[in-house]
Amino acid sequence: AQSVAQPEDQVNVAEGNPLTVKCTYSVSGNPYLFWYVQYPNRGLQFLLKYITGDNLVKGSYGFEAEFNKSQTSFHLKKPSALVSDSALYFCAVRGSNFGNEKLTFGTGTRLTIIP
Amino acid sequence: EPEVTQTPSHQVTQMGQEVILRCVPISNHLYFYWYRQILGQKVEFLVSFYNNEISEKSEIFDDQFSVERPDGSNFTLKIRSTKLEDSAMYFCASSEIRGDSNQPQHFGDGTRLSIL
Repeated sequence: AQSVAQPEDQVNVAEGNPLTVKCTYSVSGNPYLFWYVQYPNRGLQFLLKYITGDNLVKGSYGFEAEFNKSQTSFHLKKPSALVSDSALYFCAVRGSNFGNEKLTFGTGTRLTIIP
Repeated sequence: EPEVTQTPSHQVTQMGQEVILRCVPISNHLYFYWYRQILGQKVEFLVSFYNNEISEKSEIFDDQFSVERPDGSNFTLKIRSTKLEDSAMYFCASSEIRGDSNQPQHFGDGTRLSIL
């Protein structure tokens, strides 16, 4: 079975400071990892993914994430936070085996950027 | 940028009634999904659909649920006899090609289903 843990329900960061939203995962075989963001009354918006290759992946809106196989982590980062980054962030995993398309999501982390 | 669209945005239904949630996936996508999010909980996978058949479903997706692609553009989720615990936000998603893991799933804005 695959699973995702987001240990922090809430993260508060001052505007302009770096931010990190944590994610750890469990899956059989190689992981395919994703970050999504959800704004109020909206669906899940894709931010970035890790499939293979460089451990540091870059995505939309200046976000990046670092894949760490030994720690089974995929933390979301941004060097300088904006107030507009305030939203609910979800980490998701799926297995690499053919036919396993379902995404398993974490419980989400509410990110609040303080002006 | 193409989007997944879902209708209605909010559906209120009496317990025991049938409900159909509608989705229009992105036009060149071939793989379709339904997820749900009960208030305050995480997003849960319900079902995936490819080539006019279900390819995977979760234990939540019991006999009360069905999916259909009635034409070339719509993808529907039907709940035959709704229960109070079906109240949730239902998200439709689509992706380009089955097995092409480089393509992320794109989500609609969801339908909030309220069962009275």
